[in-house]
Amino acid sequence: DVKVTQSSRYLVKRTGEKVFLECVQDMDHENMFWYRQDPGLGLRLIYFSYDVKMKEKGDIPEGYSVSREKKERFSLILESASTNQTSMYLCASSVRGQPQHFGDGTRLSIL
Amino acid sequence: AQSVSQHNHHVILSEAASLELGCNYSYGGTVNLFWYVQYPGQHLQLLLKYFSGDPLVKGIKGFEAEFIKSKFSFNLRKPSVQWSDTAEYFCAVLKNRDDKIIFGKGTRLHILP
Repeated sequence: DVKVTQSSRYLVKRTGEKVFLECVQDMDHENMFWYRQDPGLGLRLIYFSYDVKMKEKGDIPEGYSVSREKKERFSLILESASTNQTSMYLCASSVRGQPQHFGDGTRLSIL
Repeated sequence: AQSVSQHNHHVILSEAASLELGCNYSYGGTVNLFWYVQYPGQHLQLLLKYFSGDPLVKGIKGFEAEFIKSKFSFNLRKPSVQWSDTAEYFCAVLKNRDDKIIFGKGTRLHILP
C-alpha cells in the first residue's frame, strides 16, 4: 500500500519565520504535489514536481517554494510565513496518469 | 479555464436514504474522473475512478458513479447511506495532458443516525 508521510500533523509558527513542511513517499512515484485545503475552497495546488530537481508552479505559488533533491522527498517552504498561510497542507504522490495518494496533512497555524 | 463544480456544499440525510452528489466539469480533452472521500480526521482516499469503458463505475463501500460525457457529469450515488458515510466528498478530474488533478470544492455529507 502506498504510504505518503508528512513530517508533522500540527505545527505552530510565528509570522516572518521560514517554515519547512516535509513529505516522503515510499512507492517510487514520479509525481509529487503540494496542496492547501481551506473550508469552502477545496484543494488548491501550490506546486508540483514530475521528477527530481524539477518543479512547476500550481495555482497559488505566491509566498511558497519547493525542493525535490531526492525522488521520494518533496519539501514545501514558506519563505516568510504570514497569517494568511494558516491552513491544512496536503502532500500527494502519483504515477503518471494515475490517481494521487495523499498524506495525512499538516495543520499549520501562523501566529 | 478548466473547473469542477459540485452542486451541493452541504448535504444532510437520514440513514437508509439514497444519495446523489452532483459533479460537472469543464474540460474538452481526454479526462480521467475520480471521487475522493475524507472521513473526519483522516486523509483523502480514493473512492472510485473512471478511465474508460463502462461509464457506470463501482467503488468501495457501495458507492457508484456514472460518467455522462454529453453532460460533462460524473455524479456519485449510493442507494442507502449509513452513519459512517459522514465525510467530505471531492469530485476530481485528471487532465491527461499534464497529469494535474482539478478538484471540486467538496460536499460535506452528514448522515443522521
